[in-house]
This record gives sequence, structure tokens and C-alpha cells, in this order.
Amino acid sequence: RKEVEQDPGPFNVPEGATVAFNCTYSNSASQSFFWYRQDCRKEPKLLMSVYSSGNEDGRFTAQLNRASQYISLLIRDSKLSDSATYLCVVNPYNFNKFYFGSGTKLNVKP
Amino acid sequence: DVKVTQSSRYLVKRTGEKVFLECVQDMDHENMFWYRQDPGLGLRLIYFSYDVKMKEKGDIPEGYSVSREKKERFSLILESASTNQTSMYLCASSSRGRSFATNEKLFFGSGTQLSVL
Repeated sequence: RKEVEQDPGPFNVPEGATVAFNCTYSNSASQSFFWYRQDCRKEPKLLMSVYSSGNEDGRFTAQLNRASQYISLLIRDSKLSDSATYLCVVNPYNFNKFYFGSGTKLNVKP
Repeated sequence: DVKVTQSSRYLVKRTGEKVFLECVQDMDHENMFWYRQDPGLGLRLIYFSYDVKMKEKGDIPEGYSVSREKKERFSLILESASTNQTSMYLCASSSRGRSFATNEKLFFGSGTQLSVL
């Protein structure tokens, strides 16, 4: 079983839509969680960390559900510029390792 | 802002050549990582280093070695390049974090697209 699993998509949504991605992780001892954004042929860039109580950054909301071992990312009022691949990243108790999901591709259409 | 610099954006090499990929970070981070990214497989960890001269194998170390002689520099070496090592190589760094149970976020270089012919 993979450490981190994501639906690869693509999610095709119109501008202004709300879209949500989920990511499941297998190690219940995982400590840190992140969402990264990756544009085509570019490096991943941190979008937001995910905290136990959930957190929001503008149009983006991240949630953590430890009982069910998943994290989610909600994007409200989608923009064309949100089109990218979103990577779920988990850091388990072994602090030197990060586990990446394969990414969820989002296409926002005019 | 943290800057992680990879020496080459694109590289073309021939089978059997020895290849060096260089990575430098300017934020005094303890941890440095080398990943490769292939379509459908996501990012896979090749090697990481948590201190100068320290290294640990990641998930796919075969055919690679690394060197960390200075804190800011982490080199990936392909001893004898093969066509199945054609990939995007990403270097990353992070600070150690406040406890052994957590780690700070990863910062990536812009990647090296390596083609082995």
C-alpha cells in the first residue's frame, strides 16, 4: 500500500467553482502535513501546511482528519491561475522522510 | 526567501557517462534531499543527508551516490548513466525542526531535466 494516495484527476471545473481534493495516508503516526502546488515542468512549491484544527489561507482551506487518516484541500472561487497539480505531502515520525502523493491535476476553464 | 539552486536546468548525457548534479542552498538547512519525478510515479526519494558527510539511502538509491562535503552543497552522482535514469531530478532542503517528531517544510530547486541517450 502506498504511504500517500491521491486521486490523479483531472478535475475540470469552471471559473468560480468550488473544488475539493482528498488525500489519504497510511501511517497513523504521521506528524506533519502539507499541500504543495506544482505547475507544468516546474518545481513543487508550498501552498500551505495543514494543522490539526484546520486552517485557511484566502480561498484555500485545509483540513486534517486523523481518525480517518486523510487531509483535504478546498479551493473556493477557482481562478484560471489555480490550474496546476496539487501534491499531498506527509512527514511521518521519521523526521527525515517526506512522502508524496502522485498529485491531483486541476484544470480551471473559462 | 530560501533559495535552492540546481546547477543545470537541462542536461543531455550519453549512456555510461558519469554525471554530477549539483545543488546549493543558502538558508543553513541541515537536511537536503534528492528526488526524481517521473510521470505517474510521483516524487521518489533517492538519497538524503541530515548533516555534513552524513547520508542515508532513500527508496531508489541504486545507480546513484551522493556527496555532502559542505553544509550548503549536496551533489548527486550517476556513476554510469543509463537510459532508465532519464528523469526530472529535484533537490530540496529543510531545517531540522524543533523536535524529532516534526520537520520543517521542504524547499525545492527548479529541477534538472536529465536525458540519457
